[in-house]
Amino acid sequence: DADVTQTPRNRITKTGKRIMLECSQTKGHDRMYWYRQDPGLGLRLIYYSFDVKDINKGEISDGYSVSRQAQAKFSLSLESAIPNQTALYFCATSEAGDPTDTQYFGPGTRLTVL
Amino acid sequence: SQKIEQNSEALNIQEGKTATLTCNYTNYSPAYLQWYRQDPGRGPVFLLLIRENEKEKRKERLKVTFDTTLKQSLFHITASQPADSATYLCAPSFSGNTGKLIFGQGTTLQVKP
Repeated sequence: DADVTQTPRNRITKTGKRIMLECSQTKGHDRMYWYRQDPGLGLRLIYYSFDVKDINKGEISDGYSVSRQAQAKFSLSLESAIPNQTALYFCATSEAGDPTDTQYFGPGTRLTVL
Repeated sequence: SQKIEQNSEALNIQEGKTATLTCNYTNYSPAYLQWYRQDPGRGPVFLLLIRENEKEKRKERLKVTFDTTLKQSLFHITASQPADSATYLCAPSFSGNTGKLIFGQGTTLQVKP
């Protein structure tokens, strides 16, 4: 079974709708991250969480919110989706004690906002 | 500002040849440099890490070098195979367990049979 799972894998929605993307992990890692990936722009960090009570904004947090429901679960919400949020979204985890910050990614969610 | 540069043009090589991908960084002094592989529509997968005090690291057909003077890492795949076709991302990271990585945009490698 995959260590980091994301649901849904694909989603098409309309402008203005609220969307939630979910991430679960069985790696036992404390740290979790949400990224978006756009062609030519690489991976950009949206939010990250170092433990259940810690939430931090990343490079591009506007228009997004997150919730860390448990050590193993980290969800990303788009309160009112807009077309330029169409992208591939990845959840990742890392181990708090790892000095290298190596990250382990989920399979991704392809989101299309019409 | 901190910047990571990977060749945005795809690298096309013939099966059996050695592929060499470049990662340059500016305004950084990373303690580690990581390389990830990403297949289309899938999440990146960690491949190799090299420390600032290591000149070279090998894993099977993969070899990574790290030149802190040139601020450059080279990623080599020897005896390349069509299955090596993917996008390869580099990510410098820092000591002190900051918890964050910044990724290069990646270079796409296409190995032709």
